[in-house]
Amino acid sequence: DIVLTQSPATLSVTPGDSVSLSCRASQSISNNLHWYQQKSHESPRLLIKYASQSISGIPSRFSGSGSGTDFTLSINSVETEDFGMYFCQQSNSWPHTFGAGTKLELK
Amino acid sequence: EVKLVESGGGLVKPGGSLKLSCAASGFAFSSYDMSWVRQTPEKRLEWVATISSGGSYTYYPDSVKGRFTISRDNARNTLYLQISSLRSEDTALYYCARDGNLDYWGQGTTLTVSS
Repeated sequence: DIVLTQSPATLSVTPGDSVSLSCRASQSISNNLHWYQQKSHESPRLLIKYASQSISGIPSRFSGSGSGTDFTLSINSVETEDFGMYFCQQSNSWPHTFGAGTKLELK
Repeated sequence: EVKLVESGGGLVKPGGSLKLSCAASGFAFSSYDMSWVRQTPEKRLEWVATISSGGSYTYYPDSVKGRFTISRDNARNTLYLQISSLRSEDTALYYCARDGNLDYWGQGTTLTVSS
């Protein structure tokens, strides 16, 4: 199975900061990597698909990059509504797997 | 508006069985692959099943293969997950989600396995 390692586990930031979240795959997954946001008591929401493709309705401050084994989710100028958990997921091969998540919290 | 509404969760004894449902609306259900994903009490996400749009193909991780069965009724716009031989580690919030990149999720239904 492909293991996705997310770092850091927790990121403490101040609104207005720009941040990068990392997701590393145990083997190459091309660009078959998706990012989800989950706020407290809500269902996950797709933010970025296929590593860098934007999703309708998602603010433009969210962007994704990477291919192969190393991927990054960037948030340009964090807003208070962005605090929560972020997960990556690969759909390159079965079983589809998720990372353990990065918690974005208020410093 | 895309809407996915799960139901059927509850408290079940180890070894028991349960069938979860997911009612879909607001999109052409029969045109999309559908998946079930669970979230453990520790908040870890685990994909547990996918079914192709026509229902011909199904996929499971080894952790649930042989115990979980995903199915769909395209005439009723409904997705199902039959779970048998339940174990305590199956305790989770179960979500249905659309397509391979899980672009829409329901609100989830909770399954607790305990004696």
